[in-house]
Amino acid sequence: DTEVTQTPKHLVMGMTNKKSLKCEQHMGHRAMYWYKQKAKKPPELMFVYSYEKLSINESVPSRFSPECPNSSLLNLHLHALQPEDSALYLCASSQVVGLDNQPQHFGDGTRLSIL
Amino acid sequence: GNSVTQMEGPVTLSEEAFLTINCTYTATGYPSLFWYVQYPGEGLQLLLKATKADDKGSNKGFEATYRKETTSFHLEKGSVQVSDSAVYFCALKRDGSEKLVFGKGTKLTVNP
Repeated sequence: DTEVTQTPKHLVMGMTNKKSLKCEQHMGHRAMYWYKQKAKKPPELMFVYSYEKLSINESVPSRFSPECPNSSLLNLHLHALQPEDSALYLCASSQVVGLDNQPQHFGDGTRLSIL
Repeated sequence: GNSVTQMEGPVTLSEEAFLTINCTYTATGYPSLFWYVQYPGEGLQLLLKATKADDKGSNKGFEATYRKETTSFHLEKGSVQVSDSAVYFCALKRDGSEKLVFGKGTKLTVNP
């Protein structure tokens, strides 16, 4: 069982819809991450939050909007997505940002399909 | 820059065979090294890690040794099971960096 919980597990949306992906962890971690994973590829980093502040945005299009309401929650707001945005979206957390021996713990992801 | 190179897959083995998945890295300084496993339909799970040269990470019968002289972190298991079928990712992280650098992944299929 994963300690990082993502909802929903699956999401189908049209290009004009607005939806949100949610991620929750109760391990006391202070760093949280969003990744995008296309089929047969490794995860690609999108955003990093450290102590609830955005520390990295990997030049992600503005139709993806992250939010970190508190240290346990991470959201990804979606609006006007394109078909190429269909992918598995993974959330991860780690104790703090930057310490090399602290692994990231991943959720099971949300599989997103854009019609 | 930092990079990870994994052997190309897919790898297909019979149950109880010996497994090696090669991983080499390029990085400045002394990165930490990780193996993650992704079972079908799931997220990534940390399999094992090593944080300094000559460290051996081990878990569930899998092992990998941090070899600085050859910049390698090869994954091994003496006797694979059908349940080990998954995609395996080698990754590194430099101290002070937020980023995990992943290899391309190696798909393993174990047949009964």
